[in-house]
Amino acid sequence: EADIYQTPRYLVIGTGKKITLECSQTMGHDKMYWYQQDPGMELHLIHYSYGVNSTEKGDLSSESTVSRIRTEHFPLTLESARPSHTSQYLCASIPWTENTEAFFGQGTRLTVV
Amino acid sequence: AQSVTQLGSHVSVSEGALVLLRCNYSSSVPPYLFWYVQYPNQGLQLLLKYTSAATLVKGINGFEAEFKKSETSFHLTKPSAHMSDAAEYFCAVSDGQNFVFGPGTRLSVLP
Repeated sequence: EADIYQTPRYLVIGTGKKITLECSQTMGHDKMYWYQQDPGMELHLIHYSYGVNSTEKGDLSSESTVSRIRTEHFPLTLESARPSHTSQYLCASIPWTENTEAFFGQGTRLTVV
Repeated sequence: AQSVTQLGSHVSVSEGALVLLRCNYSSSVPPYLFWYVQYPNQGLQLLLKYTSAATLVKGINGFEAEFKKSETSFHLTKPSAHMSDAAEYFCAVSDGQNFVFGPGTRLSVLP
């Protein structure tokens, strides 16, 4: 069983609010990722990190920001939420071992009203 | 660069029928290949993975996939569909450093 956790699972918030989506893993993985996924659609990589103090933007441009101060923690922040940010956000982690799969959290479904 | 294509964004089968979900990949190095399943409002769960051992890989819930290098394919099959198999399925390829996911195939199982 994967030990990667996302909180909250569901969040409904008003436009203009600042929000932080939490992602934590207890497996000691260096590589962590954030994906954005609309219902029934493909995953879009928005941020990734290869270790502490390392963050990069993914393929899909996003107004969110991330930080990686500790190996186990990779939070995603939206400074001012908008309805266009409504989506599901999935966090994943991968160890450096080459043939290992990605482990996913349960996701956070964000609705901005 | 790696890429993954999944033929058919939506596949419907009858309960008890064969399930075949297609995945083709491109990779400049020997790939690691994965199939994930996603149920509504959930994260992705690993079904099976190919890591250069046996070309026929068995996974959870009766699914299996065969790696065919000549066809650059990694199709997912299950002999007999069950209602609980209805979900979104994602194929992914890794070169050991980066993961690339396909666009997904939604499987519907009809009674």
